[in-house]
Amino acid sequence: AQSVSQHNHHVILSEAASLELGCNYSYGGTVNLFWYVQYPGQHLQLLLKYFSGDPLVKGIKGFEAEFIKSKFSFNLRKPSVQWSDTAEYFCAVNALGYSTLTFGKGTMLLVSP
Amino acid sequence: EADIYQTPRYLVIGTGKKITLECSQTMGHDKMYWYQQDPGMELHLIHYSYGVNSTEKGDLSSESTVSRIRTEHFPLTLESARPSHTSQYLCASSDTGARAFFGQGTRLTVV
Repeated sequence: AQSVSQHNHHVILSEAASLELGCNYSYGGTVNLFWYVQYPGQHLQLLLKYFSGDPLVKGIKGFEAEFIKSKFSFNLRKPSVQWSDTAEYFCAVNALGYSTLTFGKGTMLLVSP
Repeated sequence: EADIYQTPRYLVIGTGKKITLECSQTMGHDKMYWYQQDPGMELHLIHYSYGVNSTEKGDLSSESTVSRIRTEHFPLTLESARPSHTSQYLCASSDTGARAFFGQGTRLTVV
């Protein structure tokens, strides 16, 4: 079965700090990978996705993620966070042969001004 | 650990049948959401609620309807299922400033 592990449940950063949120999945075959964000009081939004090709994918609002197949990882990064990035971030995986999307438990990011 | 439950986990049903997907949470959250996800694709918001007697349509048009008569319960109904409704339906809840929690999803197949 596919599963997703997010390493940190809570992350606190100051503005302008760099961000990296870890995500590992457990499936040895072909995968589609996603990062979603949920701002306080709002619904989920797609940040970025990886289906194939360049393993470094760029998303909205300056976010990027790198797919490292050998490490089963899809870490989310941003060079300089802003207060408005305060939100919860979810990694998700859909493995070939599985019709459903599996979410990690989420990482709550708090950016202090 | 938070509790949000969806039933059934899997459902195979014939065209034209009426179905209700159940979603319940025990955290007292005001906000609840329904998302739809086609195989291999990203989620799309189809309904949300900010509290009892409050329901709104989401970004993706859906023939389903929802109700919110009680805080803990947010069922989704399809009056007449069609094969185009085959998808995964994911329920979630959250409170302002708090974390979001997801159910395990209902995998619906309409034959």
